[in-house]
Amino acid sequence: GQQLNQSPQSMFIQEGEDVSMNCTSSSIFNTWLWYKQDPGEGPVLLIALYKAGELTSNGRLTAQFGITRKDSFLNISASIPSDVGIYFCAGQLPDKIIFGKGTRLHILP
Amino acid sequence: SAVISQKPSRDICQRGTSLTIQCQVDSQVTMMFWYRQQPGQSLTLIATANQGSEATYESGFVIDKFPISRPNLTFSTLTVSNMSPEDSSIYLCSVVLGIRYEQYFGPGTRLTVT
Repeated sequence: GQQLNQSPQSMFIQEGEDVSMNCTSSSIFNTWLWYKQDPGEGPVLLIALYKAGELTSNGRLTAQFGITRKDSFLNISASIPSDVGIYFCAGQLPDKIIFGKGTRLHILP
Repeated sequence: SAVISQKPSRDICQRGTSLTIQCQVDSQVTMMFWYRQQPGQSLTLIATANQGSEATYESGFVIDKFPISRPNLTFSTLTVSNMSPEDSSIYLCSVVLGIRYEQYFGPGTRLTVT
C-alpha cells in the first residue's frame, strides 16, 4: 500500500532557528496536507496543497507540493516555543488520507 | 473548518468491557473517519463511516471489534469491544469538509485498558 516517508523523525533546535521537514512517497498524490498535533489534542490542519509546484504560506509556515507530486516539504521560519509539537504530512486519496510517521519538534531552552 | 467534539475525552476501562465513543460535528458532513493513534505513533485509519451506508473497515480492523454507527450527518459512534490492554490508544474522529475535501480532527479520546 501507499506509504509516506517523513523526515526527520525528530529535531532539536534553538528558538529563532528555521526548521525544514519533508515527506516523500512512491505514489502520486493529488493533495498534500500538513498537520500539527499538540499533546492531548487532535491534529490541526496547517496547510493544504492542491497543485504540483504549489508554494503556500501560512504566517511563518511555508509548504511546497513537489512537481513530481510525490513529495512535499514544510518550513517554519524563526521558530518560537509554541511551535513545539508533532508535525504530520498526509497525502490525500479519493477515499482516505495516508499519514507520515511525524516529525517531533523540540526547542532547546 | 468545523467544531468537532468527542466524548469521553478519556477513560480507564477494565479488560473485557466495551466503550462507546461519541463524535459530534457542528455541521452536516458526509464523510467521517475513525482513527487510532497509539502512544508516540502516527494515525491509523480504522474505518470510514459515511451516512447512509455501512462503515468500511481497513485491513486489520473488523466490525465485531469496532462497531460503528452513523445515524445522521452530524454524529457517529465507535465502540471498542471486549477491550484488552493492546486497545489502549487515542481514538480520533475526523470529517471532510469543503469542495477540496480538507480533513479535520476531533480532540481525541484517550483510552487506557487495565
